[in-house]
Amino acid sequence: ETGVTQTPRHLVMGMTNKKSLKCEQHLGHNAMYWYKQSAKKPLELMFVYSLEERVENNSVPSRFSPECPNSSHLFLHLHTLQPEDSALYLCASSPFLSRAKEAFFGQGTRLTVV
Amino acid sequence: EDKVVQSPLSLVVHEGDTVTLNCSYEVTNFRSLLWYKQEKKAPTFLFMLTSSGIEKKSGRLSSILDKKELFSILNITATQTGDSAVYLCAVGGLGDYKLSFGAGTTVTVRA
Repeated sequence: ETGVTQTPRHLVMGMTNKKSLKCEQHLGHNAMYWYKQSAKKPLELMFVYSLEERVENNSVPSRFSPECPNSSHLFLHLHTLQPEDSALYLCASSPFLSRAKEAFFGQGTRLTVV
Repeated sequence: EDKVVQSPLSLVVHEGDTVTLNCSYEVTNFRSLLWYKQEKKAPTFLFMLTSSGIEKKSGRLSSILDKKELFSILNITATQTGDSAVYLCAVGGLGDYKLSFGAGTTVTVRA
């Protein structure tokens, strides 16, 4: 366990569903990240939060909506997804934005869109 | 656009073999290169390299960076089945939090 917990671990959803992914860390970290990992492709940075403020939105479609209510929790709200959105979604946290290289990753949520 | 290319994409070895993984990169304002091991799902940090020619070692794993030729290698000696994983290379460039990842090398170690 890295100290970053993601739930659920697996999710199957239809294209018309709305669901949320949750990430939680109690490491005292101030920066949190969402990454997408598609099969045989590099990790893609989706969103970055520092002290609960979004600092990066990497041209991610609006059907993905992040929320960071406090520095320990990060959500990714999903709605009207497409099959190509099926992937492993990884959350990570780091002490500060400037120490992203020291990020701890969660176990990920394996998302399948049917 | 930043680019990180890992090779080979996958390899299968037997216990006791040595493996060498490659990572080449093109990135604006290079800051550091990182190696991660991804078993099952969560990537775990292995090494961070910032200077050319200085080998980093951790047990049977070692890594070195060549900033002139823009590549790094990760060596695993006396491989064990527990070394089976995807090994990810990432490069930090402009903006400390922006890591560009390669697609990974899948290593399978057979008993």
